[in-house]
Amino acid sequence: AQSVTQLDSQVPVFEEAPVELRCNYSSSVSVYLFWYVQYPNQGLQLLLKYLSGSTLVKGINGFEAEFNKSQTSFHLRKPSVHISDTAEYFCAVRRSSGGSQGNLIFGKGTKLSVKP
Amino acid sequence: DTEVTQTPKHLVMGMTNKKSLKCEQHMGHRAMYWYKQKAKKPPELMFVYSYEKLSINESVPSRFSPECPNSSLLNLHLHALQPEDSALYLCASSQSSLAGGYYEQYFGPGTRLTVT
Repeated sequence: AQSVTQLDSQVPVFEEAPVELRCNYSSSVSVYLFWYVQYPNQGLQLLLKYLSGSTLVKGINGFEAEFNKSQTSFHLRKPSVHISDTAEYFCAVRRSSGGSQGNLIFGKGTKLSVKP
Repeated sequence: DTEVTQTPKHLVMGMTNKKSLKCEQHMGHRAMYWYKQKAKKPPELMFVYSYEKLSINESVPSRFSPECPNSSLLNLHLHALQPEDSALYLCASSQSSLAGGYYEQYFGPGTRLTVT
């Protein structure tokens, strides 16, 4: 079975400051890793994903994440945040083998609040 | 068009009512998903349909009854719900392959359900 731990439930940060949202995972099999963003009263949008290859993954809206297999981490970073980045961020994992519609297992989420 | 639509946006129902949630996509995706998201919690998978057949049921109570009448449409029929079933119900779709691999899940905006 897979599991995801998001270490911070809330991260307040000032506009234009850098931010890191932490995610650790546990799995006995090879996995794919994802970060999703959820704006208030909306569905989830995929920010970025790690499937294989380069461990540094770049996504939309200036976000990037680094896969670290030895530390089983997939932290999300942005060098300069905007007010519009205020949202809930979910780290997710799914096994890489088996059928393509494998379950997404989500972490509990991190609420990013960007203050002016 | 990468849009998944869900209707209604909001639904209030009594415990004796019967109602249905609707999800539609026109991306040619052959996998469709229902997730339940309680307030301040991550989404939890309920059902997966692949090629219009139910492939995953995450031990969901029978008061939730999914239906996939065609490749573009996914319904969730609700009957005799409890107040604790109040949540945001998210629909998603993706391509599907029994050979495995990864296909991005596209999420709808959700239906916010309140059971009184």
